[in-house]
Amino acid sequence: GENVEQHPSTLSVQEGDSAVIKCTYSDSASNYFPWYKQELGKRPQLIIDIRSNVGEKKDQRIAVTLNKTAKHFSLHITETQPEDSAVYFCPRGNDYKLSFGAGTTVTVRA
Amino acid sequence: SQTIHQWPATLVQPVGSPLSLECTVEGTSNPNLYWYRQAAGRGLQLLFYSVGIGQISSEVPQNLSASRPQDRQFILSSKKLLLSDSGFYLCAWAHPQRDHNEQFFGPGTRLTVL
Repeated sequence: GENVEQHPSTLSVQEGDSAVIKCTYSDSASNYFPWYKQELGKRPQLIIDIRSNVGEKKDQRIAVTLNKTAKHFSLHITETQPEDSAVYFCPRGNDYKLSFGAGTTVTVRA
Repeated sequence: SQTIHQWPATLVQPVGSPLSLECTVEGTSNPNLYWYRQAAGRGLQLLFYSVGIGQISSEVPQNLSASRPQDRQFILSSKKLLLSDSGFYLCAWAHPQRDHNEQFFGPGTRLTVL
């Protein structure tokens, strides 16, 4: 399956600042780009996704941008709050299965 | 609406003992079903997935097995647990026959093998 490359592996930000996580992909045919959030001890949940015919999608304080030329997509969190502290994943895969990788651990400092 | 159940929530087992974790989904038919394991501080490792009753695909060789005896029931088993089997086990489901499905995760089972 397609490999998952996500950067950085850990991110610490001051409350109120922005956080950006980048995910790179290798399959030019990829057309779906989701982001999942997993709070400590909880289950992962989809927070936002984008399809290849759209360059950017926003939902309140989170947004995903897609750069098809460079083959990467990024998660942007603005005005970070303590509840944004979690592990974020950009899984890659096909219709039936996803590879989640190690994720990015985001810590929002008060 | 759809819901997914997993039990037990936590489990402590001795090395060499058997294991059976159960996952059930309500409110949908013929879901794709998945078992993942997450070691402490690590990512999600896909163990098994199923796209129909009696159909199981294994992702990694190990001493675990999975079965799908009913449409919305997915079971993870082991005959003899190893220390390395400790972790957070997550079951997930997805709608069948859709392009790039969101996966919905259960609450998980935290397994400690001593």
